[in-house]
Formats: sequence, structure tokens, C-alpha cells
Amino acid sequence: SQQGEEDPQALSIQEGENATMNCSYKTSINNLQWYRQNSGRGLVHLILIRSNEREKHSGRLRVTLDTSKKSSSLLITASRAADTASYFCATRAGGTSYGKLTFGQGTILTVHP
Amino acid sequence: DTEVTQTPKHLVMGMTNKKSLKCEQHMGHRAMYWYKQKAKKPPELMFVYSYEKLSINESVPSRFSPECPNSSLLNLHLHALQPEDSALYLCASSQGSLRGGGNQPQHFGDGTRLSIL
Repeated sequence: SQQGEEDPQALSIQEGENATMNCSYKTSINNLQWYRQNSGRGLVHLILIRSNEREKHSGRLRVTLDTSKKSSSLLITASRAADTASYFCATRAGGTSYGKLTFGQGTILTVHP
Repeated sequence: DTEVTQTPKHLVMGMTNKKSLKCEQHMGHRAMYWYKQKAKKPPELMFVYSYEKLSINESVPSRFSPECPNSSLLNLHLHALQPEDSALYLCASSQGSLRGGGNQPQHFGDGTRLSIL
């Protein structure tokens, strides 16, 4: 099955509300990364959290990692219409997988003005 | 604007054509990647180059042939593609070698949208 499953698949909110997306994975990881993809564009790196970290912040973004549950969450606070995009978690496995990233199925976020 | 430049942005080709996708970065990154992305799906890794050497080939069909002429350029040569190969092809790069590169974010281009007739 797919490493990095995300839920919800789609999320629709109003501007100013918070958006929370979850990601689960199956194997041990070295780090977990979150990316954003606007329609028709490439992916943009948002934040990286290492396996020995539990929480990380970057501006309006907050990421948590629970390695015991093999899950992560991305919280976007005070959302804006410009946050409308697809969001993907990506895991880098431990061991000899080196730089290979495996992406989750993604969450489509729509923020209504 | 992204720091990874991909050309062309769009490409339509027949199943008997030969074409190439190009990717360029000037960030000094030594790891470069090709991904394939179908609509509403996540990117799927195809190839990884580290220091201009092919490090990972994810069992990609031979009709896709990657090439890394130097540390700034990555090509993907296409020949005898099938309709199911229609997709967005993304190039990415990251710092360092694969051993150290896995803890660095990947920088993506905006992709080439490929349509096979």
C-alpha cells in the first residue's frame, strides 16, 4: 500500500479559518516533508521535520510528527485564498533509500474568500 | 518563478516521435530527479542522479532515457511513447550527495505537460 496516506482528500474552508491535514505512513522514516502544489505548477517545499523532532513551526505553518503512531499533521492558521492548493506529505525512508521521497496522495485545500 | 527551469512547458508528440525534455538548475545542487505526475495524483519518482551518475532507476521502461551531461543539466529522452505516458513530468534538485541529500528539500520546476497522440 501507499507510503504516506493523507486525509482528508479534500478540505474546503473560509478565509481566516484554520486548516488541518493529516498524513500517515507505514515504514520507519528519516524525515517527513510537506509540499504545496498550485494548479499547473511544480511543488514548493514548505517544511521538513526530522524523525527525532516532534513539532516545527514556520510562519503560519505548524507541523507535528508522532513516530509511534507513524503520523504527521500540517496546520495552516488564519488561512488565505492564496493557500488554495494541493498539499502533499513526503517521507524519506531510513536505511539505504538515500534521497528517495515517497509522496502521499495529497489533500486538496480550497479557501473561499 | 522557480529556480529549476524546465523546457518545453508543453509537448505533444506522436507515438513514433523522438523528443527530449530539458531541466536546468544553477543552485549548485548535485542531486537531480525526474518525476511523473498524473492528474490528481502524487508525483512518482522515475530517476535520481547524484554527482552526474544515475543512482536510482525506479524500473522505468526503456522508452524513457535519462541523461545528465553536467551538474546543472538533466535531460529525459523520449522514444516510442504510449498514450498512458501522457502526464506532467517534473524535474527537481537538491543539495549534496544522496547520503546527505535526503535531509535537504527538493526544489521543483513547473514541469513539462506531455501529451501522446
